[in-house]
Amino acid sequence: DTEVTQTPKHLVMGMTNKKSLKCEQHMGHRAMYWYKQKAKKPPELMFVYSYEKLSINESVPSRFSPECPNSSLLNLHLHALQPEDSALYLCASSSQASGVEQYFGPGTRLTVT
Amino acid sequence: RKEVEQDPGPFNVPEGATVAFNCTYSNSASQSFFWYRQDCRKEPKLLMSVYSSGNEDGRFTAQLNRASQYISLLIRDSKLSDSATYLCVVVNYGGSQGNLIFGKGTKLSVKP
Repeated sequence: DTEVTQTPKHLVMGMTNKKSLKCEQHMGHRAMYWYKQKAKKPPELMFVYSYEKLSINESVPSRFSPECPNSSLLNLHLHALQPEDSALYLCASSSQASGVEQYFGPGTRLTVT
Repeated sequence: RKEVEQDPGPFNVPEGATVAFNCTYSNSASQSFFWYRQDCRKEPKLLMSVYSSGNEDGRFTAQLNRASQYISLLIRDSKLSDSATYLCVVVNYGGSQGNLIFGKGTKLSVKP
Protein backbone atom coordinates (compact mmCIF):
# COMPACT_ATOMS: atom_id res chain seq x y z
CA ASP A 1 0.00 0.00 0.00
CA THR A 2 3.04 2.31 -0.22
CA GLU A 3 2.73 5.30 -2.51
CA VAL A 4 6.46 5.28 -3.19
CA THR A 5 7.41 2.62 -5.70
CA GLN A 6 10.86 1.32 -6.50
CA THR A 7 12.18 -0.89 -9.26
CA PRO A 8 13.68 -3.38 -9.46
CA LYS A 9 12.96 -5.20 -6.19
CA HIS A 10 16.14 -7.21 -6.48
CA LEU A 11 19.28 -6.59 -8.52
CA VAL A 12 22.44 -8.62 -8.90
CA MET A 13 25.25 -6.94 -10.77
CA GLY A 14 28.92 -7.44 -11.43
CA MET A 15 31.55 -4.90 -10.54
CA THR A 16 31.89 -3.77 -14.15
CA ASN A 17 28.16 -3.38 -14.83
CA LYS A 18 26.15 -0.19 -15.14
CA LYS A 19 22.62 -0.29 -13.76
CA SER A 20 20.00 2.11 -12.50
CA LEU A 21 17.54 2.06 -9.62
CA LYS A 22 14.24 3.87 -10.10
CA CYS A 23 11.88 5.50 -7.64
CA GLU A 24 8.52 7.14 -8.21
CA GLN A 25 6.11 8.89 -5.87
CA HIS A 26 2.59 10.06 -6.56
CA MET A 27 1.97 12.18 -3.49
CA GLY A 28 3.04 15.53 -4.93
CA HIS A 29 6.03 15.60 -2.59
CA ARG A 30 8.81 18.04 -3.38
CA ALA A 31 11.67 16.32 -1.59
CA MET A 32 13.07 12.89 -2.40
CA TYR A 33 15.85 10.90 -0.79
CA TRP A 34 18.14 7.94 -1.31
CA TYR A 35 19.21 5.85 1.66
CA LYS A 36 21.44 2.82 1.98
CA GLN A 37 20.71 0.22 4.64
CA LYS A 38 22.94 -2.67 5.64
CA ALA A 39 21.66 -5.61 7.66
CA LYS A 40 20.85 -4.82 11.29
CA LYS A 41 21.76 -1.13 10.79
CA PRO A 42 19.55 1.94 10.43
CA PRO A 43 19.17 3.65 7.05
CA GLU A 44 22.05 5.96 6.09
CA LEU A 45 21.23 9.06 4.08
CA MET A 46 22.97 9.31 0.71
CA PHE A 47 21.28 12.12 -1.26
CA VAL A 48 18.51 14.66 -0.88
CA TYR A 49 16.68 16.34 -3.73
CA SER A 50 14.55 19.36 -3.00
CA TYR A 51 12.44 20.80 -5.81
CA GLU A 52 14.35 18.60 -8.26
CA LYS A 53 17.72 20.00 -7.25
CA LEU A 54 20.39 18.08 -5.40
CA SER A 55 20.67 19.71 -2.00
CA ILE A 56 22.60 17.14 0.02
CA ASN A 57 25.27 14.64 -0.96
CA GLU A 58 26.50 12.84 2.12
CA SER A 59 30.02 12.31 0.71
CA VAL A 60 28.83 9.41 -1.39
CA PRO A 61 31.42 7.88 -3.79
CA SER A 62 31.04 8.95 -7.41
CA ARG A 63 30.18 5.41 -8.46
CA PHE A 64 26.69 6.35 -7.23
CA SER A 65 25.11 9.07 -9.37
CA PRO A 66 21.64 10.40 -8.57
CA GLU A 67 19.28 11.99 -11.05
CA CYS A 68 15.92 13.66 -10.62
CA PRO A 69 14.22 13.93 -14.03
CA ASN A 70 11.07 15.50 -12.57
CA SER A 71 9.32 16.01 -9.26
CA SER A 72 7.92 12.47 -9.22
CA LEU A 73 10.95 10.49 -10.30
CA LEU A 74 14.31 9.77 -8.76
CA ASN A 75 17.00 7.56 -10.22
CA LEU A 76 20.24 6.21 -8.84
CA HIS A 77 22.80 5.27 -11.46
CA LEU A 78 25.33 2.64 -10.45
CA HIS A 79 28.71 2.00 -12.04
CA ALA A 80 31.77 0.04 -11.00
CA LEU A 81 30.35 -0.90 -7.62
CA GLN A 82 32.16 -2.90 -4.99
CA PRO A 83 30.87 -5.96 -3.11
CA GLU A 84 30.59 -3.85 0.05
CA ASP A 85 27.99 -1.74 -1.74
CA SER A 86 25.58 -4.67 -1.46
CA ALA A 87 22.66 -3.40 0.64
CA LEU A 88 19.02 -2.40 0.61
CA TYR A 89 18.61 0.91 -1.21
CA LEU A 90 15.62 2.85 -0.03
CA CYS A 91 13.95 5.80 -1.66
CA ALA A 92 11.83 8.15 0.42
CA SER A 93 9.82 11.29 -0.17
CA SER A 94 8.37 14.07 1.94
CA SER A 95 6.21 17.08 1.28
CA GLN A 96 9.23 19.33 1.79
CA ALA A 97 12.86 18.94 2.78
CA SER A 98 12.45 20.47 6.22
CA GLY A 99 12.19 17.52 8.52
CA VAL A 100 8.63 16.49 8.09
CA GLU A 101 7.84 12.81 8.04
CA GLN A 102 9.26 10.80 5.18
CA TYR A 103 7.59 7.92 3.40
CA PHE A 104 9.73 5.07 2.19
CA GLY A 105 9.48 2.85 -0.84
CA PRO A 106 9.92 -0.92 -0.50
CA GLY A 107 13.55 -0.73 -1.50
CA THR A 108 15.84 -2.44 -3.99
CA ARG A 109 17.95 -5.24 -2.59
CA LEU A 110 21.27 -4.96 -4.40
CA THR A 111 23.94 -7.64 -4.54
CA VAL A 112 27.29 -6.82 -6.13
CA THR A 113 29.29 -9.88 -7.17
CA ARG B 1 27.87 10.40 22.57
CA LYS B 2 25.81 9.10 19.64
CA GLU B 3 23.19 11.47 18.25
CA VAL B 4 20.31 9.08 18.83
CA GLU B 5 20.60 6.14 21.19
CA GLN B 6 18.22 3.27 21.71
CA ASP B 7 18.36 0.04 23.65
CA PRO B 8 18.82 -2.53 20.85
CA GLY B 9 16.88 -5.21 22.73
CA PRO B 10 15.62 -7.67 21.83
CA PHE B 11 12.54 -7.25 23.96
CA ASN B 12 10.77 -10.59 24.18
CA VAL B 13 7.27 -10.18 25.60
CA PRO B 14 4.10 -12.30 25.73
CA GLU B 15 0.95 -11.28 23.92
CA GLY B 16 -1.03 -8.76 25.90
CA ALA B 17 1.99 -7.29 27.66
CA THR B 18 2.77 -3.62 27.88
CA VAL B 19 6.22 -2.67 26.62
CA ALA B 20 8.06 0.65 26.63
CA PHE B 21 10.97 1.83 24.54
CA ASN B 22 13.13 4.82 25.31
CA CYS B 23 15.37 6.84 23.08
CA THR B 24 17.76 9.66 23.93
CA TYR B 25 19.12 12.33 21.64
CA SER B 26 22.14 14.55 22.00
CA ASN B 27 21.22 17.71 20.09
CA SER B 28 19.10 19.97 22.28
CA ALA B 29 18.08 21.94 19.16
CA SER B 30 16.34 18.94 17.60
CA GLN B 31 12.85 19.90 16.62
CA SER B 32 10.91 16.98 15.20
CA PHE B 33 10.65 13.43 16.40
CA PHE B 34 9.15 10.25 14.98
CA TRP B 35 8.82 6.56 15.62
CA TYR B 36 9.10 4.25 12.63
CA ARG B 37 8.67 0.49 12.60
CA GLN B 38 10.56 -1.79 10.28
CA ASP B 39 9.66 -5.40 9.63
CA CYS B 40 12.39 -7.82 8.61
CA ARG B 41 13.57 -7.12 5.05
CA LYS B 42 10.95 -4.39 4.57
CA GLU B 43 11.08 -0.62 4.46
CA PRO B 44 10.65 1.62 7.53
CA LYS B 45 7.05 2.75 7.98
CA LEU B 46 6.00 5.81 9.90
CA LEU B 47 4.32 4.77 13.13
CA MET B 48 3.70 8.15 14.69
CA SER B 49 5.06 11.62 15.16
CA VAL B 50 5.99 12.65 18.69
CA TYR B 51 4.77 15.92 20.13
CA SER B 52 5.68 17.74 23.32
CA SER B 53 2.17 17.26 24.63
CA GLY B 54 2.36 13.52 24.03
CA ASN B 55 0.16 11.71 21.61
CA GLU B 56 -1.76 8.49 21.46
CA ASP B 57 -2.90 6.33 18.59
CA GLY B 58 -4.86 3.31 19.73
CA ARG B 59 -2.54 1.07 21.71
CA PHE B 60 0.47 3.29 21.05
CA THR B 61 1.50 6.31 23.12
CA ALA B 62 4.49 8.53 22.37
CA GLN B 63 6.00 11.03 24.77
CA LEU B 64 8.70 13.66 24.40
CA ASN B 65 10.70 15.08 27.30
CA ARG B 66 12.72 18.00 25.95
CA ALA B 67 14.38 18.79 29.24
CA SER B 68 15.84 15.31 29.52
CA GLN B 69 16.14 14.85 25.76
CA TYR B 70 14.36 11.58 25.54
CA ILE B 71 11.46 10.10 23.62
CA SER B 72 9.40 7.11 24.60
CA LEU B 73 7.00 4.72 22.93
CA LEU B 74 4.54 2.67 24.94
CA ILE B 75 2.71 -0.27 23.39
CA ARG B 76 -0.23 -1.66 25.34
CA ASP B 77 -1.85 -5.06 24.85
CA SER B 78 0.93 -6.28 22.54
CA LYS B 79 -0.06 -8.29 19.48
CA LEU B 80 1.99 -10.82 17.54
CA SER B 81 1.88 -8.38 14.63
CA ASP B 82 3.72 -5.77 16.71
CA SER B 83 6.92 -7.82 16.33
CA ALA B 84 9.31 -5.57 14.44
CA THR B 85 12.22 -3.21 14.93
CA TYR B 86 11.21 0.22 16.22
CA LEU B 87 13.34 3.12 15.02
CA CYS B 88 13.55 6.38 16.92
CA VAL B 89 14.06 9.30 14.52
CA VAL B 90 15.15 12.83 15.36
CA VAL B 91 15.28 15.77 13.00
CA ASN B 92 18.06 18.32 13.24
CA TYR B 93 17.75 21.48 11.22
CA GLY B 94 20.56 23.09 9.31
CA GLY B 95 19.65 26.00 7.06
CA SER B 96 16.50 24.95 5.27
CA GLN B 97 17.25 21.26 5.55
CA GLY B 98 15.96 18.92 8.16
CA ASN B 99 17.76 15.61 8.10
CA LEU B 100 16.39 12.52 9.77
CA ILE B 101 18.79 10.96 12.23
CA PHE B 102 17.91 7.34 12.92
CA GLY B 103 18.60 5.40 16.07
CA LYS B 104 19.84 1.86 15.60
CA GLY B 105 16.42 0.47 16.45
CA THR B 106 14.93 -1.66 19.20
CA LYS B 107 13.82 -5.14 18.25
CA LEU B 108 10.52 -6.35 19.69
CA SER B 109 9.40 -9.95 19.58
CA VAL B 110 5.88 -10.71 20.84
CA LYS B 111 5.34 -14.37 21.63
CA PRO B 112 2.05 -16.30 21.91
